[in-house]
Amino acid sequence: EAQVTQNPRYLITVTGKKLTVTCSQNMNHEYMSWYRQDPGLGLRQIYYSMNVEATDKGDVPEGYKVSRKEKRNFPLILESPSPNQTSLYFCASSLSAGVSYEQYFGPGTRLTVT
Amino acid sequence: TQLLEQSPQFLSIQEGENLTVYCNSSSVFSSLQWYRQEPGEGPVLLVTVVTGGEVKKLKRLTFQFGDARKDSSLHITAAQTGDTGLYLCAGEGRGDYKLSFGAGTTVTVRA
Repeated sequence: EAQVTQNPRYLITVTGKKLTVTCSQNMNHEYMSWYRQDPGLGLRQIYYSMNVEATDKGDVPEGYKVSRKEKRNFPLILESPSPNQTSLYFCASSLSAGVSYEQYFGPGTRLTVT
Repeated sequence: TQLLEQSPQFLSIQEGENLTVYCNSSSVFSSLQWYRQEPGEGPVLLVTVVTGGEVKKLKRLTFQFGDARKDSSLHITAAQTGDTGLYLCAGEGRGDYKLSFGAGTTVTVRA
């Protein structure tokens, strides 16, 4: 089944404790992206990747890191999480960039930073 | 980032009624998408509209892109409980591939 998977689905952590949210897709997609969703603000892009070893900042990249060493994986790293990073996070992938290519979203990771 | 405003924020209707949600911006978009998101899941693409004035139909859902490419609407005819969800619009800016999302309209269809 074609899908985007994220782990963990739920995470409660404390300020400053490094964490990684994994994202994997099995559709051989080149374009991958991370978003955060907050009430009243919609989805905001954190980072995106056009292909392996090609990552770039989205609209809200501060406090986050990403890497794209393999085509299928695009982990999101929070080196020193803070309470303002409490949010619902989505990974997405598509064949290429642009709306001509349907973007598939993962199920989301709900992160709480205390 | 281009701002997309969706209205209303919440909408609760009885099964069988019609509803319309709106997506407005002061910016021009090269294309616009509508997604539906159910609790505990990621957004799922419903439609992409690319031409000003374009109307697309998906069963009971009708999507329209404004002539000036700054706004869009989603109309649902004879709503069903399965239409319940968060409806998001997203616009692609001219000259780039970046998507700007609206905050969404939460639709609840009561049986």
